[in-house]
Amino acid sequence: ETGVTQSPTHLIKTRGQQVTLRCSSQSGHNTVSWYQQALGQGPQFIFQYYREEENGRGNFPPRFSGLQFPNYSSELNVNALELDDSALYLCASSPGDLHTDTQYFGPGTRLTVL
Amino acid sequence: GESVGLHLPTLSVQEGDNSIINCAYSNSASDYFIWYKQESGKGPQFIIDIRSNMDKRQGQRVTVLLNKTVKHLSLQIAATQPGDSAVYFCAEKGAGSYQLTFGKGTKLSVIP
Repeated sequence: ETGVTQSPTHLIKTRGQQVTLRCSSQSGHNTVSWYQQALGQGPQFIFQYYREEENGRGNFPPRFSGLQFPNYSSELNVNALELDDSALYLCASSPGDLHTDTQYFGPGTRLTVL
Repeated sequence: GESVGLHLPTLSVQEGDNSIINCAYSNSASDYFIWYKQESGKGPQFIIDIRSNMDKRQGQRVTVLLNKTVKHLSLQIAATQPGDSAVYFCAEKGAGSYQLTFGKGTKLSVIP
């Protein structure tokens, strides 16, 4: 087990709604990254947070936003949901400092947008 | 753009045989590579990683080989077991980059 947990495990929303997904990293893991994994594809990088600040972002629109808290928890918020947002959302945490490369993934949240 | 890809989308092996999963990458600036195993309904599980200053790294029953000349990465699994059945992803990270870039994955099926 990685010690990374995510909630909820499954979620169903309708188009246009907003969603908040949560992640809890291991104690001491200062870096958290979020990924979107469409069915049959590899994970795609959304953004990364280090010590509560966003320090890297992939090719996702601003309606994808995040927060990281001092207690090693974080959130992914998605506004104005679209059908194509249906995917498995993964968070991954890294121990140590900003330049630690290894990322440990949580089990993911399966989001379905109807 | 730069990408990481896999040669074979599916691989079937007999239990007890060795498995080799291949991966090609195109970003010459990549300096860190990692293999993940993903079982159905679960998140990716770290298997083994390697930095660009190495050619080979071994773990428990797994070996990763890196050929920077041809930009090729492989994962070898010794004495493959039914529990090894999963989708395997390689991912790369460029120097100074924040993100891991994943390929599409190879599905490994172990025949009992």
